Amino acid sequence: DAKTTQPPSMDCAEGRAANLPCNHSTISGNEYVYWYRQIHSQGPQYIIHGLKNNETNEMASLIITEDRKSSTLILPHATLRDTAVYYCIARRRSGGGADGLTFGKGTHLIIQP
Amino acid sequence: KAGVTQTPRYLIKTRGQQVTLSCSPISGHRSVSWYQQTPGQGLQFLFEYFSETQRNKGNFPGRFSGRQFSNSRSEMNVSTLELGDSALYLCASSLGWANTEAFFGQGTRLTVV
Repeated sequence: DAKTTQPPSMDCAEGRAANLPCNHSTISGNEYVYWYRQIHSQGPQYIIHGLKNNETNEMASLIITEDRKSSTLILPHATLRDTAVYYCIARRRSGGGADGLTFGKGTHLIIQP
Repeated sequence: KAGVTQTPRYLIKTRGQQVTLSCSPISGHRSVSWYQQTPGQGLQFLFEYFSETQRNKGNFPGRFSGRQFSNSRSEMNVSTLELGDSALYLCASSLGWANTEAFFGQGTRLTVV
């Protein structure tokens, strides 16, 4: 798995877009960018993933730079329920590392009312 | 469809005892992975089972073991409990082996006293 770097914490006002950055400068060509989040005391929740094209689903959008060295997860209209730790993972889609998913410390996103 | 179910949700055990945790994956998913989450170490991979066989294993002592049944349900066992085993134990379900897209249960909160 490629190493990822995320800011430890971020604040965002409720109703605004939350933009969470992730650096993965050593990502290899067959590694995808995955995002998960973990709301306090719950299991991690899969959000979205992408290889090189931008992706959007009902939860979020994922913007990957052209050189694939960084990406941004966008929550378009953040609500208080989006307060969570967000994890960025760069990994093959399947048959990846023998040590499961590596979550790192993630970004603690706090949505302010 | 039903999500990943972990039982029990909470458990209190005494040092030296053993414990068995259960995980029912999403219907059709054949891979079950287990993770331990503590405030100090974060999310750490324990092992992954696919088609009733342990495929990957994290860096945990032999006191931690697991198995998977023919219906893909999985159990994990911790013997000779130590205070440091107090943690949130999470189970993740995937379609195939070592898939990065995984769906987590709510976890079992184990407290060892």
